[in-house]
Amino acid sequence: QAQLVQSGGGVVQPGGSLSLSCGASGFGFSSYAMHWIRQAPGKGLEWLAVISFDGTNANYADSVRGRFSISRDNSENTLYLHMNSLRREDSAVYYCARGDYYGSGYYPNSNWFDPWGQGTLVTVSS
Amino acid sequence: QSALTQPASVSGSPGQSINISCTGSSDDVGAYNFVSWFQQHPGKAPKLIIFDVTKRPSGVSNRFSGSKSGITASLTISGLQAEDEADYHCNSFTSSTSLYVFGSGTKVTVL
Repeated sequence: QAQLVQSGGGVVQPGGSLSLSCGASGFGFSSYAMHWIRQAPGKGLEWLAVISFDGTNANYADSVRGRFSISRDNSENTLYLHMNSLRREDSAVYYCARGDYYGSGYYPNSNWFDPWGQGTLVTVSS
Repeated sequence: QSALTQPASVSGSPGQSINISCTGSSDDVGAYNFVSWFQQHPGKAPKLIIFDVTKRPSGVSNRFSGSKSGITASLTISGLQAEDEADYHCNSFTSSTSLYVFGSGTKVTVL
């Protein structure tokens, strides 16, 4: 059974940095694109970033481009999100999600986001 | 990139059918057959229930169905059950520089 387990998160000061991890099991991690999505308290979902199955291509939402970086280690079945220059408005629950099979990280083969990690809370506050 | 427009809330009685709309633009919903729907219970991660406008993942009830007309996608829940009470989010691929856009979310209440 495909499963994603997240770690990281916590409280960070404005302007600070934080990294999140997402460990995959139960499926061929290296064959799928992967996404990060967040949800501010009481708000809707916001797509943040995607990385291709082989890690060679990544794309970002305008709101985080230049501040966040998505990466993956296919040998360790782990996805990462490195967040810099954090702002109060970045406070949210962050989710990782499996994307499309052999996804390029740009035009999708399928609009697939499943499964999702359990989510991890990031709070940006002084 | 603005969020796709969904009604804030929809309600129905057990056994009834309800529809949730998701209105975008010619840059997203109207341009691609890459619309997905997610169910999210309180405090839980979202779950994929419809992908590529009309397709259901394995294990998802056939009471959930999706469709699209122009710039508006729709999710229909038939035979409404108490367990369907949740938030529902739509998502579309978009030609904007932010590749994907989510809807504003709809709270479904079973009366």
